[in-house]
Amino acid sequence: EPEVTQTPSHQVTQMGQEVILRCVPISNHLYFYWYRQILGQKVEFLVSFYNNEISEKSEIFDDQFSVERPDGSNFTLKIRSTKLEDSAMYFCASSEAKGVGQPQHFGDGTRLSIL
Amino acid sequence: QQQVKQSPQSLIVQKGGISIINCAYENTAFDYFPWYQQFPGKGPALLIAIRPDVSEKKEGRFTISFNKSAKQFSLHIMDSQPGDSATYFCAASITGANNLFFGTGTRLTVIP
Repeated sequence: EPEVTQTPSHQVTQMGQEVILRCVPISNHLYFYWYRQILGQKVEFLVSFYNNEISEKSEIFDDQFSVERPDGSNFTLKIRSTKLEDSAMYFCASSEAKGVGQPQHFGDGTRLSIL
Repeated sequence: QQQVKQSPQSLIVQKGGISIINCAYENTAFDYFPWYQQFPGKGPALLIAIRPDVSEKKEGRFTISFNKSAKQFSLHIMDSQPGDSATYFCAASITGANNLFFGTGTRLTVIP
């Protein structure tokens, strides 16, 4: 069964450094998402992406964050200058189409630790 | 208003018993309610989902009950098995939007 793959599984970064989290969505999917989960808290939506542009973003997704689909397979989340509070599990997801009832398939996440 | 409240935070059930997890929402615009199952070290995986035009949906041992007037929905796991031990998240979304609003999760432990 096709799956969403995320790399790395764990990223340790010094505060203030830039970090790029990578995702390979399911190949025929057109909609891509990033979510994060701070330890012990709920999963929170960050951003959705379609047709090479952001379609929705949450309040969390401020100017420090950016997303990109640099080629036909990868989808990346960049945090420009990391803060301690960016430490979390980051999940990438993809769906075949938009709309209610279209299941979002999640990767296994990247654990980001900011020191 | 976008909150989805989930309870209990943790649940211990004997093998063969029924596990019940409850969620409540405020935004009446929500019209899709999925449940996700998450094992340690893995991402959330879609388990079952319901639209508000039905009051119940059953898939194998998993049933969603939906009460539109009370703005509540619940997951029932019949004949719970140790392999069901995981964290369960309810979620909600709105037609035309892509983002899911998740509950805080329930850690289920099924004792053999």
